[in-house]
Amino acid sequence: DVKVTQSSRYLVKRTGEKVFLECVQDMDHENMFWYRQDPGLGLRLIYFSYDVKMKEKGDIPEGYSVSREKKERFSLILESASTNQTSMYLCASRKRTRGSNQPQHFGDGTRLSIL
Amino acid sequence: GESVGLHLPTLSVQEGDNSIINCAYSNSASDYFIWYKQESGKGPQFIIDIRSNMDKRQGQRVTVLLNKTVKHLSLQIAATQPGDSAVYFCAENRAGYSTLTFGKGTMLLVSP
Repeated sequence: DVKVTQSSRYLVKRTGEKVFLECVQDMDHENMFWYRQDPGLGLRLIYFSYDVKMKEKGDIPEGYSVSREKKERFSLILESASTNQTSMYLCASRKRTRGSNQPQHFGDGTRLSIL
Repeated sequence: GESVGLHLPTLSVQEGDNSIINCAYSNSASDYFIWYKQESGKGPQFIIDIRSNMDKRQGQRVTVLLNKTVKHLSLQIAATQPGDSAVYFCAENRAGYSTLTFGKGTMLLVSP
């Protein structure tokens, strides 16, 4: 079974802090993704990575950055946290295949509160 | 904090009933579709997928139906159990892209 592990289940930070959310997958997947999930808005893609050291902006990248130094780890960084970044953050990974799609597999999320 | 289940359409069924959850997708270029289940406090869990060259696929107690003509996807759960209570999302993948577009979800409530 695919295992996607997010380092914290709950996190409380203060406005202006730099916040790091960590995600690790154990299935040698090339693709990794960061989403935020808000009531009424569903899942929105922040950033994704095709492979090590590669990154692409998703639908809502403003205020965030990412790092993919190793294949198994994808970090989301809030450069200067603001209260509107209070949300559930979900990491996912996916095996890259040719000619055939694969599902994304999710971690259990980090519920981040910015005070 | 607020549950992801707030603001969602809700389907309430009795234990043992069959459930049907519907999803309309937006892009006629989408060629791969996935259903996810999300329980309270957990991340979305993969249930079943289907490619656009199929119109039906069955798993254990679940069936996905795809109607490309009207861009409609449905998830059927047989003999629904209280443990099936969760939010269910569909997701579509546009051909040639790595990203998914998610539906807003439907909350399924199963009463004993």
